[in-house]
This record gives sequence, C-alpha cells and structure tokens, in this order.
Amino acid sequence: AQSVTQLGSHVSVSEGALVLLRCNYSSSVPPYLFWYVQYPNQGLQLLLKYTTGATLVKGINGFEAEFKKSETSFHLTKPSAHMSDAAEYFCAVSLAGGKLIFGQGTELSVKP
Amino acid sequence: DTGVSQDPRHKITKRGQNVTFRCDPISEHNRLYWYRQTLGQGPEFLTYFQNEAQLEKSRLLSDRFSAERPKGSFSTLEIQRTEQGDSAMYLCASSSTGTGGEKLFFGSGTQLSVL
Repeated sequence: AQSVTQLGSHVSVSEGALVLLRCNYSSSVPPYLFWYVQYPNQGLQLLLKYTTGATLVKGINGFEAEFKKSETSFHLTKPSAHMSDAAEYFCAVSLAGGKLIFGQGTELSVKP
Repeated sequence: DTGVSQDPRHKITKRGQNVTFRCDPISEHNRLYWYRQTLGQGPEFLTYFQNEAQLEKSRLLSDRFSAERPKGSFSTLEIQRTEQGDSAMYLCASSSTGTGGEKLFFGSGTQLSVL
C-alpha cells in the first residue's frame, strides 16, 4: 500500500534561515508526489508536484523539492524563510483514481 | 475559475442531530472528493465521484455518512445521528480528470462541532 510519512510534526526556523521539511513515501509503483500548504482556517493550496521527468521540482513562493527514488524521499526546501511561510505543510502521494493520501503534516513556525 | 465553494463554513450541532454540507466544485471538473481533517492530522480520504457516480468509499465512511452528486455538479455530504467524534473539518476538492498526477483544488472546508 502507498503511504507517506512526514518526519517532525513541528519545525521552527528563524526568518532568513533554510527551511527543510522531510517526507518519505512508500509505493510499489512510480509515485506522483505533492506538497500542499494550509493556512489557518483555509483549504489546501498546491505548492508543487512531481509526476515524471526532472527530479528537482520548483513550486510557488520559492519552494522546491527533490524526488530521490533511492531514498524514497521528497523533501521540501526553501533557501530563506519568510514570516509569511508559517503554515501547515502536507506531503501527499497520488493513487489510482487521482485521490491523494496525505502525511500527518508539519507545522512550520518562523521566528523574527 | 471561481474555485471550490463549501457551505456552511461552520456548523455547530447537538449530538444525535443530522447535518448536511454542500460542495460546489469548479464547473468543468468531473472529479469530486470529500476528505475529513481533525486537528493536527492530515486530511483523510472519505469518498469520490466521477460525474454523478460514486466510485469509492473509505472504510472511514460509516453507515451514518452518505454523499451524493445527483447531476454531476454540486455534491452533498450528510451525517445522520451525529456523534462527538464526527467533529472535524470536512474538505471538498475537485479535479478535471482521474488519471493520477493532476492537481486537486480544495475548498475552505466546513468546520463541524458536535456538542
């Protein structure tokens, strides 16, 4: 069965510091992988996705993620954190039919 | 593109009452999904539709839950005889196809509180 594990339920960084949110997946077939962001009392917004092709995927707001098959990982990074990046981040894998299976989420806090 | 709309945004009800939520997907999207999210957790898949056909239901969806999409446009999710454990955010999402790898567009959700 396909699943997603996010390491660390809370991550805190200083403004301007590197953001690294970890995601590992389990899949018996080549996966489609996603990162979504959720701001308080809002729905989820797509940051980026990996389907096929280039393993380094660039998304919105300066985020990027690298698909590493050998490590079954899809970690999300941003070189310099902004206060506005504070939110909940979810990694997800796509299954047949297009439905998504989400990880538990990582809450990102950004300190001034 | 007016986005995915959900109504109401908040619902407070007493245990044992029935509640119904509505979701209006993006108009050209034929796939519609329902998810449930509790505090501190990722969204959990409940069910999805291809046009008016309900193609899959999660084991999380007890007999008290029913979803419809009668004309392949908007969808409703009804919970009968609500329990305190039903308190959660109910999210709706839509997409244009179901081949995998496509983006799901999410609504802002309906927050249910069962007292």
